[in-house]
Amino acid sequence: AQSVTQPDIHITVSEGASLELRCNYSYGATPYLFWYVQSPGQGLQLLLKYFSGDTLVQGIKGFEAEFKRSQSSFNLRKPSVHWSDAAEYFCAVGATGTASKLTFGTGTRLQVTL
Amino acid sequence: DVKVTQSSRYLVKRTGEKVFLECVQDMDHENMFWYRQDPGLGLRLIYFSYDVKMKEKGDIPEGYSVSREKKERFSLILESASTNQTSMYLCASNNRDRGFNQPQHFGDGTRLSIL
Repeated sequence: AQSVTQPDIHITVSEGASLELRCNYSYGATPYLFWYVQSPGQGLQLLLKYFSGDTLVQGIKGFEAEFKRSQSSFNLRKPSVHWSDAAEYFCAVGATGTASKLTFGTGTRLQVTL
Repeated sequence: DVKVTQSSRYLVKRTGEKVFLECVQDMDHENMFWYRQDPGLGLRLIYFSYDVKMKEKGDIPEGYSVSREKKERFSLILESASTNQTSMYLCASNNRDRGFNQPQHFGDGTRLSIL
């Protein structure tokens, strides 16, 4: 069975600083990987996804993520954080099958200081 | 844009009540999902459906059932609500036709409190 680990529960960065959120996965085959963001009181919004090909994936809102098979990682990065990026971020790995089930990590809450 | 609509943002019910959470999507998606979200636990899959009248258990189905009578609507049912079912419930959907690589689209969630 697949699993996802987000080792950082809470991260605080200053506005304008760079950001890296960590994600490690466990899956027996080539993984399908996603990053979602959840603003307070909202559902989840897809930031980016990786299925195959280029291991550096660009997403919305200036985010990118890099797939590293050797490290089983899919870390999310942003060069310069904005106050509006404060939210909770979830990494997820997808399973194959009839329905595309996802297994989520426990999330990382990002706080941005001005 | 895909729209996934959950009927209630906030809901308060009493222990033992039968509770219905409704979800509607407007993009003709085959797959629909129900998750619960708890602090420190992330999202956990309760049930999913890949077609009308079809359902499969997720990781935590105990105490829940689902109904999918129409393609656009997926209902989560708490047969006899208990306080440990107090949580945020999220519905999602995606399209199966083009293979797996379709992201799930989420509703805004229903925050359910069982007193």
